[in-house]
Amino acid sequence: DAGVIQSPRHEVTEMGQEVTLRCKPISGHDYLFWYRQTMMRGLELLIYFNNNVPIDDSGMPEDRFSAKMPNASFSTLKIQPSEPRDSAVYFCASSPPRAGFYNEQFFGPGTRLTVL
Amino acid sequence: EDKVVQSPLSLVVHEGDTVTLNCSYEVTNFRSLLWYKQEKKAPTFLFMLTSSGIEKKSGRLSSILDKKELFSILNITATQTGDSAVYLCAVGNNNAGNMLTFGGGTRLMVKP
Repeated sequence: DAGVIQSPRHEVTEMGQEVTLRCKPISGHDYLFWYRQTMMRGLELLIYFNNNVPIDDSGMPEDRFSAKMPNASFSTLKIQPSEPRDSAVYFCASSPPRAGFYNEQFFGPGTRLTVL
Repeated sequence: EDKVVQSPLSLVVHEGDTVTLNCSYEVTNFRSLLWYKQEKKAPTFLFMLTSSGIEKKSGRLSSILDKKELFSILNITATQTGDSAVYLCAVGNNNAGNMLTFGGGTRLMVKP
């Protein structure tokens, strides 16, 4: 398996523009997580899905952020309008179906977003 | 709200030294504790611990969990420059599916 795939790997945009980050989870995984990582705040969970349904979006910073998972193999995180403080690395991770104690998450390579 | 605190925040050692990284947690319904290593890219999985007192080992790395005192340690013996990374601790909650709560990480630098 190719692992979790994210695109783009790097994104530079100007304040006010719309940004869309994409993620393809590992086949067969039914949990998908979006994280944001900055030096100041570390790794923060934004939202997670189970079987394509958003379960907890309490980490989404504000209404400018939205996430969708239209099917089991694709998810998007959209920021509209973007602001400089959104600059961070955004990770997508997936996890297999809950079985016993097994809840390891597999991370994608991340998207480094810079908002000028 | 679940909480994970890691210490120290950062650490600088020389090759060959042994280091101990600490992770303390508060979680309403503990399921597991995981350690990840993050170099320049995405976190990669190291260990998952679910039972107290059972040491997990992988080469020079080992980890143990104390569910009574709510902490875990990650030991690295005979450190190498390739061990330089941020080490993340995370806990899973039985009430929260496969969601993990991450600590702030410990940044380890190993000098030649």
